[in-house]
Amino acid sequence: EDQVTQSPEALRLQEGESSSLNCSYTVSGLRGLFWYRQDPGKGPEFLFTLYSAGEEKEKERLKATLTKKESFLHITAPKPEDSATYLCAVQADSNYQLIWGAGTKLIIKP
Amino acid sequence: EADIYQTPRYLVIGTGKKITLECSQTMGHDKMYWYQQDPGMELHLIHYSYGVNSTEKGDLSSESTVSRIRTEHFPLTLESARPSHTSQYLCASKPTGAYGYTFGSGTRLTVV
Repeated sequence: EDQVTQSPEALRLQEGESSSLNCSYTVSGLRGLFWYRQDPGKGPEFLFTLYSAGEEKEKERLKATLTKKESFLHITAPKPEDSATYLCAVQADSNYQLIWGAGTKLIIKP
Repeated sequence: EADIYQTPRYLVIGTGKKITLECSQTMGHDKMYWYQQDPGMELHLIHYSYGVNSTEKGDLSSESTVSRIRTEHFPLTLESARPSHTSQYLCASKPTGAYGYTFGSGTRLTVV
């Protein structure tokens, strides 16, 4: 069964303390893996799409990487405005609809 | 400005009422989606549409219906609301061939 698991559920960091969020997936064939950011009371905001193992994408303090079993969202020197829930989703070859993880709630303290 | 709009933002209704959640996008996207999201949980697909007069049920159709008479408009109707329908409902769209979804801000529904 296609499945996406994100860890940790919540992560509290001091401003400037770098860390990584994990998204593990099990799909029959990966068509794409997506990262979104969601602020309280808002819909998810698209960040990155990764298509194949070894691919990396960067945006400001965020860098997403992909292996055959998982993806990491690395956050370098985070700021309080990076606080949000980060969602991961995958699209399998067998089903065009996205399979979502439950998200990691990131809190950056000043 | 191109965007996707959902109304109302918040709604409290009684059990058994019929309600329609509105979703409109100004980007000309072919594909539109309705998701349900509970706090700390995954998004679950309720319905989707690949274009005008095309609608499909997702994994969680939740006794709701949708219509797609115009490209820009994709309303979701609950014929008889129940407390189990209490949740956040998110509408999204994307153009054919691209993978990044654009989401609305959501409707938070409470059924009492």
